Amino acid sequence: NAGVTQTPKFRVLKTGQSMTLLCAQDMNHEYMYWYRQDPGMGLRLIHYSVGEGTTAKGEVPDGYNVSRLKKQNFLLGLESAAPSQTSVYFCATLGLTNFIGQFFGPGTRLTVL
Amino acid sequence: AQSVTQLGSHVSVSEGALVLLRCNYSSSVPPYLFWYVQYPNQGLQLLLKYTTGATLVKGINGFEAEFKKSETSFHLTKPSAHMSDAAEYFCAVTGSGAGSYQLTFGKGTKLSVIP
Repeated sequence: NAGVTQTPKFRVLKTGQSMTLLCAQDMNHEYMYWYRQDPGMGLRLIHYSVGEGTTAKGEVPDGYNVSRLKKQNFLLGLESAAPSQTSVYFCATLGLTNFIGQFFGPGTRLTVL
Repeated sequence: AQSVTQLGSHVSVSEGALVLLRCNYSSSVPPYLFWYVQYPNQGLQLLLKYTTGATLVKGINGFEAEFKKSETSFHLTKPSAHMSDAAEYFCAVTGSGAGSYQLTFGKGTKLSVIP
């Protein structure tokens, strides 16, 4: 039972490159979220999904796209990376059956040069 | 809409002293409130939560928090600090009832414990 896993753990990109971050969960949670964490800013919501095939924008969605084709996976894409997207990205999940709060993955540290 | 204010970006306490981390929130609907802890280079771990019922909630590692609606506060306390408590702490709020349960986070408070 791995919980929430994120791939990759670290990545360095050049400006303009694209990449996809994968979040996978084995808890059968309905809701999934992508946050970014920047020093002194706390965590800010990028996009979220309340179920397979549905996504919605959060507080800071610009420059990112997401997809949730399978219930257990939530992908975050950067089409053309910018230095302002250097951050630590966290995925989180939430199960409604037993509401214990969002459960976070270990994070992906992304640097855009 | 919700917002969270954490007073003090850095707090230092001596080992064995009281820990008090302050959190004030605003919410247009009855809130659900959370405290998370983050150790260096790790993800966030849930310490405790308030949803409904008893306003004094107990969490892991000896922490507790009290929901005070009149003061719109949810301060985190621990009677006696331990070196292992050194970490960053985040307060978060979401709206109760049906919805996306998006969390709005405070900017965090880094706790240092002095031997």
